[in-house]
Amino acid sequence: NAGVMQNPRHLVRRRGQEARLRCSPMKGHSHVYWYRQLPEEGLKFMVYLQKENIIDESGMPKERFSAEFPKEGPSILRIQQVVRGDSAAYFCASSWDYNQPQHFGDGTRLSIL
Amino acid sequence: GEDVEQSLFLSVREGDSSVINCTYTDSSSTYLYWYKQEPGAGLQLLTYIFSNMDMKQDQRLTVLLNKKETQLSLRIADTQTGDSAIYFCAGINAGNNRKLIWGLGTSLAVNP
Repeated sequence: NAGVMQNPRHLVRRRGQEARLRCSPMKGHSHVYWYRQLPEEGLKFMVYLQKENIIDESGMPKERFSAEFPKEGPSILRIQQVVRGDSAAYFCASSWDYNQPQHFGDGTRLSIL
Repeated sequence: GEDVEQSLFLSVREGDSSVINCTYTDSSSTYLYWYKQEPGAGLQLLTYIFSNMDMKQDQRLTVLLNKKETQLSLRIADTQTGDSAIYFCAGINAGNNRKLIWGLGTSLAVNP
């Protein structure tokens, strides 16, 4: 069984550009979570989605960041007008139910020039 | 509020046991997890324990939960160099607030 797939693994953007990060959950999982990991820091929760619904976005910055998990296709984390401070590793996790273990992808490492 | 604390570093000799400790403040956490992260990689779920258990063993891994002290520990028997990684504990409250709360991770160095 394929695990959680994230792409791209590495993404380089210039300040002001848009970054789109993709996450395909494990087969059978309908719950998706996005986390951000800054250097030398732990993981910070960003958003929790189920198919077509945002359940909890309390960790998302108020501006420039958005997430979706459409009926078909991967979950997308979108960062508009990126700034240097957005440089981080972004991890996606999925689970088959909200209280079941979350399984992680290998992350997307975003670098802003 | 919710918080999870871990010591940042642990160094052990190959073959010894490692014990990584974690303290969580949310006593209503219902599930507690240990994840392993190797350099440049994602997080690998190692094991988890329900809050109504006090111990769980899985091969070389033993998880101990002291609910009264809100302390969680991960013991790795016969530690190998391949165990060198960062270990994160995380807790989840299965009530209204369902997101995982993470510690900063313990960096385990295994010396030959």
